[in-house]
Amino acid sequence: KQEVTQIPAALSVPEGENLVLNCSFTDSAIYNLQWFRQDPGKGLTSLLLIQSSQREQTSGRLNASLDKSSGRSTLYIAASQPGDSATYLCAAQGGSEKLVFGKGTKLTVNP
Amino acid sequence: DGGITQSPKYLFRKEGQNVTLSCEQNLNHDAMYWYRQDPGQGLRLIYYSQIVNDFQKGDIAEGYSVSREKKESFPLTVTSAQKNPTAFYLCASSIRGGNNYGYTFGSGTRLTVV
Repeated sequence: KQEVTQIPAALSVPEGENLVLNCSFTDSAIYNLQWFRQDPGKGLTSLLLIQSSQREQTSGRLNASLDKSSGRSTLYIAASQPGDSATYLCAAQGGSEKLVFGKGTKLTVNP
Repeated sequence: DGGITQSPKYLFRKEGQNVTLSCEQNLNHDAMYWYRQDPGQGLRLIYYSQIVNDFQKGDIAEGYSVSREKKESFPLTVTSAQKNPTAFYLCASSIRGGNNYGYTFGSGTRLTVV
């Protein structure tokens, strides 16, 4: 059974800092890995999707990498801003087509 | 704009009542999903449907029921058999069953037992 773990559970950084969020998964037989952002009381907004054949995806200040062999993905946020404060969730999708989520990393960017 | 609409945003249920949460999508997606989110927990899958008139149980289906009579709609009923229904409920959809195409989520319904 797929298990997804995110470390750290919470992170507080000063504005402008570059940061990395970590995601690990136990079953490397995945179709894709997706990163989401969730603001308090809101739904999930998709940030990046990395297909199993890809190593990384970039969107603006965000870069996500995928290493299937080690069961790890990272989300890199460059030049963080207070507006980046949210909970970031990663989710792995396998052959069952169901997404398995980690518990998220709550990010706070201080002005 | 295409998207997923969940209603209502807030819902209150009395003990012993059944309540139904609405989820509608105009993305022409084949598959739809219901997740439950509790504080400090990851999202847990309740039910999912890959085609009309067919659906499958997820990891925590007990006390819930669904229907998929139309491609666009996937309502979730929280029955009186669900002992701890207070949670944030999220609906999602994906194309071609979801492989390699990612999920789109609605804005959620917060259900509270009063």
